Amino acid sequence: DAGITQSPRHKVTETGTPVTLRCHQTENHRYMYWYRQDPGHGLRLIHYSYGVKDTDKGEVSDGYSVSRSKTEDFLLTLESATSSQTSVYFCAIPTSGRANTGELFFGEGSRLTVL
Amino acid sequence: QQQVKQSPQSLIVQKGGISIINCAYENTAFDYFPWYQQFPGKGPALLIAIRPDVSEKKEGRFTISFNKSAKQFSLHIMDSQPGDSATYFCAASINNAGNMLTFGGGTRLMVKP
Repeated sequence: DAGITQSPRHKVTETGTPVTLRCHQTENHRYMYWYRQDPGHGLRLIHYSYGVKDTDKGEVSDGYSVSRSKTEDFLLTLESATSSQTSVYFCAIPTSGRANTGELFFGEGSRLTVL
Repeated sequence: QQQVKQSPQSLIVQKGGISIINCAYENTAFDYFPWYQQFPGKGPALLIAIRPDVSEKKEGRFTISFNKSAKQFSLHIMDSQPGDSATYFCAASINNAGNMLTFGGGTRLMVKP
């Protein structure tokens, strides 16, 4: 998708291993978000960032950490993956030209399977 | 605790029919209500949105109805088409609160030809 690139798009890992998902944006937005999508739960906010090195927790942050060392990259890390973290992870940024409206543009997702 | 509840979880409609998806919210501070459409293998995409100062918003075949007193809002898809088959999510947010969205659980819509 134009504006957001997520990597990897698919990953299978084993319980207890570390995993890092990367979100790269080309829109120079201050805000970036990580959501996870699970059946019946919709999308739930994990962490978000409001600037370089400025991050905060979302609704389901336990077991996840994030880092943002530059505007374009937002990393999501699972320090020790568990089977409950099997999910599809989406990165999002505000829709261009609209700030603080709840309008987000989502990447295509990273499907993570933890065995 | 799910702050935005969505129903039904799945919906089958004949081509040309009306698809109706309902959502209810609890937090009265919510003041922006978007709907997102998601096709398999893709991220959700904004479809239509409404603010609580209006009771209805229409864009083409898609209409949002909003009932502030009941804390409910719904999506109506008129003349449903097979191409509308997707998963739909309602959401809510608080203006000037960093664009953070609270999503409903999703509705998988299938429109039969």
